[in-house]
Amino acid sequence: RKEVEQDPGPFNVPEGATVAFNCTYSNSASQSFFWYRQDCRKEPKLLMSVYSSGNEDGRFTAQLNRASQYISLLIRDSKLSDSATYLCVAGASGTYKYIFGTGTRLKVLA
Amino acid sequence: NAGVMQNPRHLVRRRGQEARLRCSPMKGHSHVYWYRQLPEEGLKFMVYLQKENIIDESGMPKERFSAEFPKEGPSILRIQQVVRGDSAAYFCASSPPGLAGVGNIQYFGAGTRLSVL
Repeated sequence: RKEVEQDPGPFNVPEGATVAFNCTYSNSASQSFFWYRQDCRKEPKLLMSVYSSGNEDGRFTAQLNRASQYISLLIRDSKLSDSATYLCVAGASGTYKYIFGTGTRLKVLA
Repeated sequence: NAGVMQNPRHLVRRRGQEARLRCSPMKGHSHVYWYRQLPEEGLKFMVYLQKENIIDESGMPKERFSAEFPKEGPSILRIQQVVRGDSAAYFCASSPPGLAGVGNIQYFGAGTRLSVL
């Protein structure tokens, strides 16, 4: 079983739609969680950190469910520019070693 | 404030040659990480370094791969006697000093794409 698992997609959604991704992690000691965005043949870029209480940044909302060991990302009012691969990241407490999921591909269609 | 700088962006090597990948962390950052990404796969942790120290190389292949982060200059990932299976994108990330873990965000360079012929 992978330490961090994501549905690879692709998720094809029309502009303006709301889309949600889930990600599960197997290490219960994980304390740090992030969503990164990666465009084709580019480097991963931090989208947002995920806090225990959940957090929102504009059209993006991230939530953490420790009991079920998953994190989610909700994108509202999708834009064409949101098309990318979204990487889920988990890190155990006190460790620098971040484990990346394989990513979920999103395509926003005009 | 320049970001994480990697060079070269593209590197072509023939089987058996050596590949040297360089990474300069963001200004003020003292932690450097190397990852490998194969096509259609996620990033795999390779090694974590601080200046003059390898902290964790548990993700490095046992042979042919080495990394360093000297007191002066960039971090180097070195692959000796490359094989076709080494073809991948190699990303470097850096993070600021302090306790690694919660809140210690890693920032990535643009990567080096290694092609082995």
